[in-house]
Amino acid sequence: EIVLTQSPGTLSLSPGERATLSCRASERLSSRYLAWYKQRPGQAPRLLIYGASNRATGVPDRFSGSGSGTDFTLTIGRLEPEDFAVYYCQQYHSSPQTFGQGTKVEVK
Amino acid sequence: QVQLQQSGPGLVKPSQTLSVTCAISGDSVSSTSAAWNWIRQSPSRGLEWLGRTYYRSKWHNDYAESVKSRITINPDTSKNQFSLHLNSVTPEDTAVYFCARDRAGWDYFDPWGQGTLVTVSS
Repeated sequence: EIVLTQSPGTLSLSPGERATLSCRASERLSSRYLAWYKQRPGQAPRLLIYGASNRATGVPDRFSGSGSGTDFTLTIGRLEPEDFAVYYCQQYHSSPQTFGQGTKVEVK
Repeated sequence: QVQLQQSGPGLVKPSQTLSVTCAISGDSVSSTSAAWNWIRQSPSRGLEWLGRTYYRSKWHNDYAESVKSRITINPDTSKNQFSLHLNSVTPEDTAVYFCARDRAGWDYFDPWGQGTLVTVSS
């Protein structure tokens, strides 16, 4: 199965700062098949980005996704208080669908 | 707007069967452009896809190898819901279980159910 490795494990930033999260795949992926999710404590994950760079309905444009092959990035332009959460990448290039271990974005 | 509402017991004894149900509103379990998934989350295993059911002229199921011998996912068209059954559970199956939809040709998950914490303990 494809292993996704996210870095860093924790990102300590202040509101208004820019966040850059990385997701590296153990095999080359089609960009079409990479998604990003946000999860706040006690809640289900929420889809942010699909197809590596397409924002889901209702997702603010401060969230952007990029990348191809084995390296993908989620960027949050200016952190809002509600953006402090855990972020996961997920691949659906091949079964089983797999998730990264997550990056926690915390308040510095 | 599609919504998924989960229900099920929060405590299951070892060796018994874990069962969680996901009721669908705003879509149909028989949709030919969707699939209905179960995913679990635990500190030790992270987010783990377990399996899915979907209808394409007939019913299909896909299961993760890690649970393939113990899992069944059943659709219920009369109630527009689907259910997860995981038998012979051990404490390692303790997790939050989520249901989620994926769209045909796009296997990302949206939306998700609210999650059900299931603890396996005697």
